Amino acid sequence: EIVLTQSPDFQSVTPKEKVTITCRASQYIGSSLHWYQQKPDQSPKLLIKYASQSFSGVPSRFSGSGSGTDFTLTISSLEAEDAATYYCHQSRSLPLTFGQGTRLEIK
Amino acid sequence: EVQLVESGGGLVQPGGSLRLSCAASGFTFSNYWMHWVRQAPGKGLVWVSRINRDGSSTNNADSVKGRFTISRDNAKNTVHLQMNSLRVEDTAVYYCTREYGDSVLPMDVWGQGTTVTVSS
Repeated sequence: EIVLTQSPDFQSVTPKEKVTITCRASQYIGSSLHWYQQKPDQSPKLLIKYASQSFSGVPSRFSGSGSGTDFTLTISSLEAEDAATYYCHQSRSLPLTFGQGTRLEIK
Repeated sequence: EVQLVESGGGLVQPGGSLRLSCAASGFTFSNYWMHWVRQAPGKGLVWVSRINRDGSSTNNADSVKGRFTISRDNAKNTVHLQMNSLRVEDTAVYYCTREYGDSVLPMDVWGQGTTVTVSS
């Protein structure tokens, strides 16, 4: 099973700050890494697919990078509405797995 | 509007059974693989099961193998999750999601979820 480890687990940030969340895979997954945003009491929403491709309708302040085992989600200028938990997810091999999540709190 | 609507959740005793359903609309259902993903209270996302486009192939997480069965009815645009021998640790919100497959699009649409509580 491919284990995805995100860091940090929690971050408190101010609006307009740049935010970086990392996701490390326990083995090579190429670019089969995706990022989701989940707000409280809502279902997850796809932000970034295949490491760096922005999903339709996602604000341009969200971007992704990386390949192989190390990946990054960047929010270039945080907005209050970005308060949420962010998950990485690999589709390289079964079982499909998710990172443990990174909760962003807005100061 | 593309939509997935889950139903069938509820309270069940350990060892009991439930059948979850997911109704799809707004897209060509038979073109997509379908998945179930669950989230225990206050916890992260865990993949449970998937089924291919015509229902001929399924995969399950080890934690549910032999207990959960995924199926689909392309004529009715629905996917089901039959859950038997339920355990307390199966308590979670269960989400239905779609995937285009062939490395084109990962799980891009999620339902609102249905809550399963396993308790005596």
